[in-house]
Amino acid sequence: AQSVTQLGSHVSVSEGALVLLRCNYSSSVPPYLFWYVQYPNQGLQLLLKYTTGATLVKGINGFEAEFKKSETSFHLTKPSAHMSDAAEYFCAVSETTGGFKTIFGAGTRLFVKA
Amino acid sequence: DAGVIQSPRHEVTEMGQEVTLRCKPISGHNSLFWYRQTMMRGLELLIYFNNNVPIDDSGMPEDRFSAKMPNASFSTLKIQPSEPRDSAVYFCASSSGTLNTGELFFGEGSRLTVL
Repeated sequence: AQSVTQLGSHVSVSEGALVLLRCNYSSSVPPYLFWYVQYPNQGLQLLLKYTTGATLVKGINGFEAEFKKSETSFHLTKPSAHMSDAAEYFCAVSETTGGFKTIFGAGTRLFVKA
Repeated sequence: DAGVIQSPRHEVTEMGQEVTLRCKPISGHNSLFWYRQTMMRGLELLIYFNNNVPIDDSGMPEDRFSAKMPNASFSTLKIQPSEPRDSAVYFCASSSGTLNTGELFFGEGSRLTVL
């Protein structure tokens, strides 16, 4: 069975500071891993994904994440936070067969202070 | 291109009434997912379909919930009878299994309030 744990339901950073959102996963098969972002009153949008190949993946808006199999982690980072990054971020794990059943973590709300 | 389309966007109903939520996936996508989002429980996968066939409905809370996908371009999630604890935002998402990426495309959600 798959599961996703996001450490910290709320993270607050200053504008220009490093953003680090943590995600650990559990999967019985090699997973596909994703980060999604949700702005108020909207659906989720894909930030980035890891399927195979390079373990450091880059996404939109300057975000990147590194797949570390030994640590079962897929932490999301951004070197310099912007006010527009304030949103809720979800880590997700997907099976790679049978329709890609996707399970989401509980989410981390990112606050950016001026 | 049109994204995933959900209707209604907002629904307010009274306990005991039937609620039907609708979803039109992106054309060509062959997987469809229904999620429920609440503050307490986050994003829960209710059911997902592959090629119009329900693959996993283990997340459906109870028999009051049912979902159908009669064709590749339409799905419904029905709650009968509705209860106040069903109040949530219900999201539909679709993905293209043929592209083998697993990325989900979400609709804007249906916000349900059961009084």
